[in-house]
Amino acid sequence: KQEVTQIPAALSVPEGENLVLNCSFTDSAIYNLQWFRQDPGKGLTSLLLIQSSQREQTSGRLNASLDKSSGRSTLYIAASQPGDSATYLCAVRRDNNNDMRFGAGTRLTVKP
Amino acid sequence: GAVVSQHPSRVICKSGTSVKIECRSLDFQATTMFWYRQFPKQSLMLMATSNEGSKATYEQGVEKDKFLINHASLTLSTLTVTSAHPEDSSFYICSARLAEFGETQYFGPGTRLLVL
Repeated sequence: KQEVTQIPAALSVPEGENLVLNCSFTDSAIYNLQWFRQDPGKGLTSLLLIQSSQREQTSGRLNASLDKSSGRSTLYIAASQPGDSATYLCAVRRDNNNDMRFGAGTRLTVKP
Repeated sequence: GAVVSQHPSRVICKSGTSVKIECRSLDFQATTMFWYRQFPKQSLMLMATSNEGSKATYEQGVEKDKFLINHASLTLSTLTVTSAHPEDSSFYICSARLAEFGETQYFGPGTRLLVL
């Protein structure tokens, strides 16, 4: 059974700092991996989707990498802003059956 | 991007009553919809997968007779929590997928259910 772990569970940084969020998964046979943002009491916003054949994806200040063989993905946020404060979730899709497994998330606080 | 809506956004009900949550894809036809549940400070857990016109596939440990899912059209799926109890209080999120949009799932804003 696929287990998805996110470290750290919570992170607090001053504004402007670059930071890395980590996601690991136990079964490297994934179809794709997706990073989401969740604001308190809200639904999910998709940030980046990496297919299993890709190594990284970039969108603005966000860069996500994928190392399937080691079962790891990182989300890099450059020049963090208070508006980046949210919970960041990674999810892996195991195969074409469309099943996604989520990590517990990293709660990020960016202090002004 | 594609838009998925959920209604209601919040609902409070008495124990023993049934609650229906709607999930709609507003600008595309969703061949597959998913229902997730999230308890406080925990991750999302997939409850069931539904394909239009067929019975939903439930995850292990999810009672299909308690959580009724109907995917009657390509733009609407409903989740009915029957005889709700306080332990059913949670955040319910749906998502929708259309193959032509790639593998991305589009998520609704969620419905917060509180059972008293």
